[in-house]
Amino acid sequence: QSVLTQPPSVSGAPGQRVTISCTGSSSNIGAGYDVHWYQQLPGKAPKVLIYGNVNRPSGVPDRFSGSKSDTSASLAITGLQAEDEADYYCQSYDKRLGGCYVFGTGTKVTVL
Amino acid sequence: QLQLEESGSGLVRPTDTLSVTCTVSGGSISSDNYSWSWIRQPPGEGLEWIGFIFHTGSTYYNPSLKSRVSMSLDKSQKQFSLNLKSVTAADTAVYYCVRENDSGNPGPFDIWGQGTRVTVSP
Repeated sequence: QSVLTQPPSVSGAPGQRVTISCTGSSSNIGAGYDVHWYQQLPGKAPKVLIYGNVNRPSGVPDRFSGSKSDTSASLAITGLQAEDEADYYCQSYDKRLGGCYVFGTGTKVTVL
Repeated sequence: QLQLEESGSGLVRPTDTLSVTCTVSGGSISSDNYSWSWIRQPPGEGLEWIGFIFHTGSTYYNPSLKSRVSMSLDKSQKQFSLNLKSVTAADTAVYYCVRENDSGNPGPFDIWGQGTRVTVSP
């Protein structure tokens, strides 16, 4: 059972903007821990897309952006492309029960 | 460029111990800036962090798995390993070895292996 909640799916037409929310609580995102985002293409290992809430690793297009506020975070994809169809996960740390790295429930992005 | 590659038993019997090993190439396993984690993904499900090991041998495990997990590290072979005992069908998953970049709070998992599929079945 994940402590970070994401919508199961979002969809958009090519060129549109979509956002994925990651809702946590005062024991994880709200406690000031960083949020990272991963993209998992079908049959592949996840890849870091956004780290430290807002930062993009080299090679990640600037169509991807991250934000964080209070107990939640968001990933935005602008100018949606067919190659963006994948599963997306947020990740942070939760200090309850001794502490644990936690992932979001995951969101499937479909390009219509 | 540092790469990670998992190896291990693809089929494990219920109640036995699951063992997987990760080999690090193209970089050091001994840096203070990184830790080495295992993350798993059951078929059609999300990601679950299992635990990490530091190059000093220090470990930290997911509290929900702590009673069944152990990790070790062999610097000379540039390998780190996961043992998960008393497995059940619920442990069937793709197991990833992953590097955590300790630059953040927490740091991101910035390098992933390709994953190894482990099935628990009689």
